Amino acid sequence: GENVEQHPSTLSVQEGDSAVIKCTYSDSASNYFPWYKQELGKRPQLIIDIRSNVGEKKDQRIAVTLNKTAKHFSLHITETQPEDSAVYFCAASKVTGFQKLVFGTGTRLLVSP
Amino acid sequence: GAGVSQSPRYKVAKRGQDVALRCDPISGHVSLFWYQQALGQGPEFLTYFQNEAQLDKSGLPSDRFFAERPEGSVSTLKIQRTQQEDSAVYLCASSLRLAGAVDEQYFGPGTRLTVT
Repeated sequence: GENVEQHPSTLSVQEGDSAVIKCTYSDSASNYFPWYKQELGKRPQLIIDIRSNVGEKKDQRIAVTLNKTAKHFSLHITETQPEDSAVYFCAASKVTGFQKLVFGTGTRLLVSP
Repeated sequence: GAGVSQSPRYKVAKRGQDVALRCDPISGHVSLFWYQQALGQGPEFLTYFQNEAQLDKSGLPSDRFFAERPEGSVSTLKIQRTQQEDSAVYLCASSLRLAGAVDEQYFGPGTRLTVT
């Protein structure tokens, strides 16, 4: 089955810096890659996703890149703000079928003012 | 509109007790998922329903775990004879299930289960 690895487990940056979180997946049939943000004690919320027919997607300060050949994808946050502090999870699934999500282990991002 | 809701938000059970966790998905959502999130880990898939049909239960850790969705809306996850290793946050998610489209999963706030 699918296995998703995520690095780093913890990331500390200064406000205004960029942050990059990386994930690798094992199943070449996976073709949908969402990223979730989870604040302490709250529900995971989708912040951006990408399908395997594109290599990059941007939404304001957030971007995701995908390298299908290498089976890795990354989340990029620019101009970080303290409210970006949270745990970020990557996930992988197939668009066909019922889209069971396989999650990475999470990255705790701390943005210091 | 209302999102996915779960109850109770917190549950403390003595080892050996049975518990029932409830999920109210977004109205009209066909797909419903249960995930288990251990402390410091990502959510792990437990089971999936399409309407009232349980199409995949491959992630349920043991036969002490049972889930149902009898009318295709509200779902209940039941854990019998709870063990300490069952302590986790149990997340429910629902999605619209548009054929051939990417299907965003909306998560509930979770139920934090602590087995003492």
